Amino acid sequence: QKEVEQNSGPLSVPEGAIASLNCTYSDRGSQSFFWYRQYSGKSPELIMFIYSNGDKEDGRFTAQLNKASQYVSLLIRDSQPSDSATYLCAVNPGSARQLTFGSGTQLTVLP
Amino acid sequence: SAVISQKPSRDICQRGTSLTIQCQVDSQVTMMFWYRQQPGQSLTLIATANQGSEATYESGFVIDKFPISRPNLTFSTLTVSNMSPEDSSIYLCSAVGGNMEDIQYFGAGTRLSVL
Repeated sequence: QKEVEQNSGPLSVPEGAIASLNCTYSDRGSQSFFWYRQYSGKSPELIMFIYSNGDKEDGRFTAQLNKASQYVSLLIRDSQPSDSATYLCAVNPGSARQLTFGSGTQLTVLP
Repeated sequence: SAVISQKPSRDICQRGTSLTIQCQVDSQVTMMFWYRQQPGQSLTLIATANQGSEATYESGFVIDKFPISRPNLTFSTLTVSNMSPEDSSIYLCSAVGGNMEDIQYFGAGTRLSVL
């Protein structure tokens, strides 16, 4: 079983729709959770981080964390073609500050 | 966020040669990491660069192949030794700690092609 799993892509949504990206993790002791966006040929760029159960909103992005279910998600409202990228879920399993990355979900927002 | 400068941004190398990649952070950081990202794949951690001591390597990566230095709190190098075409990949430096708290930021990456 992979330590961090993301819903298989690619995912296509029309412009203006809500894109929902999901991630599950196996280490129940994980402390912090991150979403990175990676455009083709570029390095990962941090979008959101979340530490506590519940929702965290930043502009069009909402991260949701449910530690009991070992589940973290990213919602992108009013999706734009510029949101088309690969989204990486990353989990910090403890104090080592190393991140374990999921395999990524490729999102395409269709104009 | 910190500014992480990585160079070279890309290189084309011959089989059997070595390439050293540099990573410079504009502030002191607690931890620095090196990742590899093969085409179409996610990030794989190579090692944690420890300041003043030997790096901590992940399973499947060894010091002879990927020697790492970290002489101070802002700088690290990764060398890819005795390269083969299988080493063609993107190599990424990241840093966490200091004023970045728990957040890990990435350099722009080095795109390596081995002929």
